[in-house]
Amino acid sequence: AQSVAQPEDQVNVAEGNPLTVKCTYSVSGNPYLFWYVQYPNRGLQFLLKYITGDNLVKGSYGFEAEFNKSQTSFHLKKPSALVSDSALYFCAVRVTMEYGNKLVFGAGTILRVKS
Amino acid sequence: DTEVTQTPKHLVMGMTNKKSLKCEQHMGHRAMYWYKQKAKKPPELMFVYSYEKLSINESVPSRFSPECPNSSLLNLHLHALQPEDSALYLCASSQTTAQLRSYEQYFGPGTRLTVT
Repeated sequence: AQSVAQPEDQVNVAEGNPLTVKCTYSVSGNPYLFWYVQYPNRGLQFLLKYITGDNLVKGSYGFEAEFNKSQTSFHLKKPSALVSDSALYFCAVRVTMEYGNKLVFGAGTILRVKS
Repeated sequence: DTEVTQTPKHLVMGMTNKKSLKCEQHMGHRAMYWYKQKAKKPPELMFVYSYEKLSINESVPSRFSPECPNSSLLNLHLHALQPEDSALYLCASSQTTAQLRSYEQYFGPGTRLTVT
């Protein structure tokens, strides 16, 4: 089965420090990977995606992610965290089915940035 | 414009009521999705529509009935729900594989449903 795993329930980081939110994947074939962020009582916002090409992907709000095929990882990073980055982050993989595509999400990681 | 709108924002209904959730997008996307999300959990896919036809039903109980009247609108009709159906219901849209210019899904803000 195609899936993603987020090994950390919560990540704590001080404002101004670099942050990393981890994601590993298990996919047959080439993975289509995504990061989404969800603020309290809101929908999911798309941050960035890896489809093909450069392993370092840049996205919204200063976030970037590094695709590592040998380690089957797609970690989300930001050089300098802001308090406003505190939210719930989901990694996802696109799964192709017979009649359509769907996203399979990881369990989510709560990011807390403290001032 | 990457906006998906959902109405209502909040809905409280009894177990014998019939209500509907609405979703709209004007991005030209031909794939639309309904998800259910419990607090601090990942979204769970319920239905996928592609070109206004139901393409995926993730074994959702029949008390949830989706409808896609046109390429911009998606409805979810609710009837005889249970308290455990209380959740955030998210709508999303994306281009299809045939459109193939991007792959990400764009989500609406959700409808917070409470079943009493």
